[in-house]
Amino acid sequence: DAMVIQNPRYQVTQFGKPVTLSCSQTLNHNVMYWYQQKSSQAPKLLFHYYDKDFNNEADTPDNFQSRRPNTSFCFLDIRSPGLGDAAMYLCATMEVGNEQFFGPGTRLTVL
Amino acid sequence: QQQVKQSPQSLIVQKGGISIINCAYENTAFDYFPWYQQFPGKGPALLIAIRPDVSEKKEGRFTISFNKSAKQFSLHIMDSQPGDSATYFCAASTRHNQGGKLIFGQGTELSVKP
Repeated sequence: DAMVIQNPRYQVTQFGKPVTLSCSQTLNHNVMYWYQQKSSQAPKLLFHYYDKDFNNEADTPDNFQSRRPNTSFCFLDIRSPGLGDAAMYLCATMEVGNEQFFGPGTRLTVL
Repeated sequence: QQQVKQSPQSLIVQKGGISIINCAYENTAFDYFPWYQQFPGKGPALLIAIRPDVSEKKEGRFTISFNKSAKQFSLHIMDSQPGDSATYFCAASTRHNQGGKLIFGQGTELSVKP
């Protein structure tokens, strides 16, 4: 019974070719997060939505955008992927005051 | 001041032994301290969490010890098993009840030898 679902699990794109990663949740949580995790590093928060309010981290590159069309879905758009954007992208959700639930991640490869 | 410092970076423990991972912080406004376990190729999963009004919390073989005055907290894994081999992250957040974001430690790669 997956609660935070990420698609695809593996994504290969070419340098500069836009890519969209998807996250959906069955938990009806009001907060959704996108993290970038590189090998042997901690997850790095890119941005999050508190309901419809978008909160961007100060050091998130402009190349990364997000959309949350409804409570259940959130998308991460990478407009022009570079080699340095190859990473695991993690989606997480939270009902305020409770634990964050992470999805399984999407492994992005940039050729 | 927003950092959470975690040590050691890697840890090798014999089966049945005690694994201890430590974290330290500076921001006294942190009000929620979770520990996450992550297996290769998977997302992190919450293991155990503590609030600063409690000095210790135990769930099965996992215990968080919290020292508010020293601004430190640690994870103890009793009777460590090979299945515990994973990367462990401590984290902290402020205003957790208002949706505050998590600040992660650098992670500890634990290997439990049979």
